[in-house]
Amino acid sequence: DIVMTQSPDSLAVSLGERATINCKSSQTILYTSNNKNSLAWYQQKPGQPPKLLIYWASTRESGVPDRFSGSGSGTDFTLTISSLQAEDVAVYYCQQSYTTPLTFGGGTKVEIK
Amino acid sequence: EVQLVESGGGLVKPGGSLRLSCEASGFTFSDYNMNWVRQAPGEGLEWVSSISISSSFIFYSDSVKGRFTVSRDNAKNSLYLQMNGLRAEDTAVYYCARSPPGYCSSHTCRNWFDRWGLGTLVTVSS
Repeated sequence: DIVMTQSPDSLAVSLGERATINCKSSQTILYTSNNKNSLAWYQQKPGQPPKLLIYWASTRESGVPDRFSGSGSGTDFTLTISSLQAEDVAVYYCQQSYTTPLTFGGGTKVEIK
Repeated sequence: EVQLVESGGGLVKPGGSLRLSCEASGFTFSDYNMNWVRQAPGEGLEWVSSISISSSFIFYSDSVKGRFTVSRDNAKNSLYLQMNGLRAEDTAVYYCARSPPGYCSSHTCRNWFDRWGLGTLVTVSS
């Protein structure tokens, strides 16, 4: 199974500042058919289901604010919130979509400093 | 508007059974792969099962294989999860989630989840 490891477990960022979340896969998740990395990011607010932010490591889902961006390749990936807003307080998860069993990272809790 | 509405959760004793349902609306259900993802109280997300558009390809996590059965009825725009032999560690909110088409084969489903339901809580306890 592909193990997804997120860091940090939590972080506190001031409003308007940058938040960076890391995700590492235990093996490469490059889909050779389209040369894209099979990595998705989700945001989950308390009491709500997860919401898709990013897929193919860097493609923003329709309607997601452009302060959210994804980057990385191979086994190391990053979700960046360029200017943290109050409504961004949530837990963020990465997920590999390379192969079953589909696996998630353990989550990163983002709070306001 | 895309909607996924789960139902069928509840309290069940260890060893018991439940059948979850997910009713879809606002999109062409038969065009999408579908999935179940669960979240134990206070914990992270765990993929449970995926089923392709025409039910040709089905995959399960090792933790539920042999006990859970996923199915779909495209005529009824519905996804199902039959859960047998329930254990305390199956206690979780179960989410129905949609995935874009084109990424399931006999070998694997390369699914990410672009829409989620609100979930239904399954509690396994004596």
